[in-house]
Amino acid sequence: DAMVIQNPRYQVTQFGKPVTLSCSQTLNHNVMYWYQQKSSQAPKLLFHYYDKDFNNEADTPDNFQSRRPNTSFCFLDIRSPGLGDAAMYLCATSRDKGGGGYTFGSGTRLTVV
Amino acid sequence: GEDVEQSLFLSVREGDSSVINCTYTDSSSTYLYWYKQEPGAGLQLLTYIFSNMDMKQDQRLTVLLNKKDKHLSLRIADTQTGDSAIYFCAGETGANNLFFGTGTRLTVIP
Repeated sequence: DAMVIQNPRYQVTQFGKPVTLSCSQTLNHNVMYWYQQKSSQAPKLLFHYYDKDFNNEADTPDNFQSRRPNTSFCFLDIRSPGLGDAAMYLCATSRDKGGGGYTFGSGTRLTVV
Repeated sequence: GEDVEQSLFLSVREGDSSVINCTYTDSSSTYLYWYKQEPGAGLQLLTYIFSNMDMKQDQRLTVLLNKKDKHLSLRIADTQTGDSAIYFCAGETGANNLFFGTGTRLTVIP
């Protein structure tokens, strides 16, 4: 089945130690998104790639970076995780500009110790 | 950016109908969505409605859209215990972004 896969489901990292979360898709969608969802809050968009074009949200901290080496894969890099970065990170894709076509992965829950 | 508001909690008895409400500010949202999130899981798209529609029905789900009042609702008929989850309303801006509400936690009482 075509889908969005996030690895790992759970990630524990040390305070200040760089960590990378991964997302892959078999949908061949043009757009890939990363959302951060803190406990009991709504998902918040960090950034997205439209093909190779990177679009950063204005209030996304510099600590968060992303890479999209090809259509299928997108990575979220947190350069120096703080305790406040503990959250669920959701990857999503869409073929183009939405229209009912957003597909979310199962998420990676990040714990910072 | 868009603001999307929902009530935080809703409890219903199994077999009753649930109605989850949402208000939004950006009238240019082309599509409006309902997502379901079970504990520890990602977001599952339940249904969506195009902004020029008033109503959409999909099996047990009915979406009503009042564009004038910027009000969206999701009705779940014959609510089951498996429907217990958090339900997010989301609007889509022209900038290719989903704005989510705070989510409504639905609890179904057996």
